[in-house]
Amino acid sequence: RKEVEQDPGPFNVPEGATVAFNCTYSNSASQSFFWYRQDCRKEPKLLMSVYSSGNEDGRFTAQLNRASQYISLLIRDSKLSDSATYLCVVHSGAGSYQLTFGKGTKLSVIP
Amino acid sequence: ETGVTQSPTHLIKTRGQQVTLRCSSQSGHNTVSWYQQALGQGPQFIFQYYREEENGRGNFPPRFSGLQFPNYSSELNVNALELDDSALYLCASSLTGTDTDTQYFGPGTRLTVL
Repeated sequence: RKEVEQDPGPFNVPEGATVAFNCTYSNSASQSFFWYRQDCRKEPKLLMSVYSSGNEDGRFTAQLNRASQYISLLIRDSKLSDSATYLCVVHSGAGSYQLTFGKGTKLSVIP
Repeated sequence: ETGVTQSPTHLIKTRGQQVTLRCSSQSGHNTVSWYQQALGQGPQFIFQYYREEENGRGNFPPRFSGLQFPNYSSELNVNALELDDSALYLCASSLTGTDTDTQYFGPGTRLTVL
């Protein structure tokens, strides 16, 4: 089982739609969780951290379910500028410093 | 922008050659991590340097090596290049490298091995 698994997509959605991405991770000792956004041929950029209590940043909502080892990202009212690849990222604690990335989910928002 | 810079932006090498990639971390950051991103994949952790010492390594062979300098800039060296080394190489800087720190990525170096 891969350490971080995501549906690669692509997700093709119309402007204004709501879209949800899911991610599962295998290491139950993982401590920190993130969603990064990567535009074509660019570097990944932090979109948001994910907390057990869930967190929201404008149109974006992230949730973490530690029992199921599952992370989600919800995007409401999709914009054309949301088109990108969304990377689920896990950072194991206790002496591990690396970020472990999923393969990414590609989103295309269509006019 | 993140303030993390990488050079060169693009590079073409042939099999068996050696390559050195460079990264300047964000001001005030003493930790640099290197990642390899093959086409269609997520970034894979190569290693991390904290205050000039290697501080963790991913599943990469010894021909991938690195350095960190007193000003916290860093180099990634790859010897005996293979075709599969063709990828985007990303460096990321962070304040201390702990799990509570955000890692800020540079724009990457795109390496093509022919």
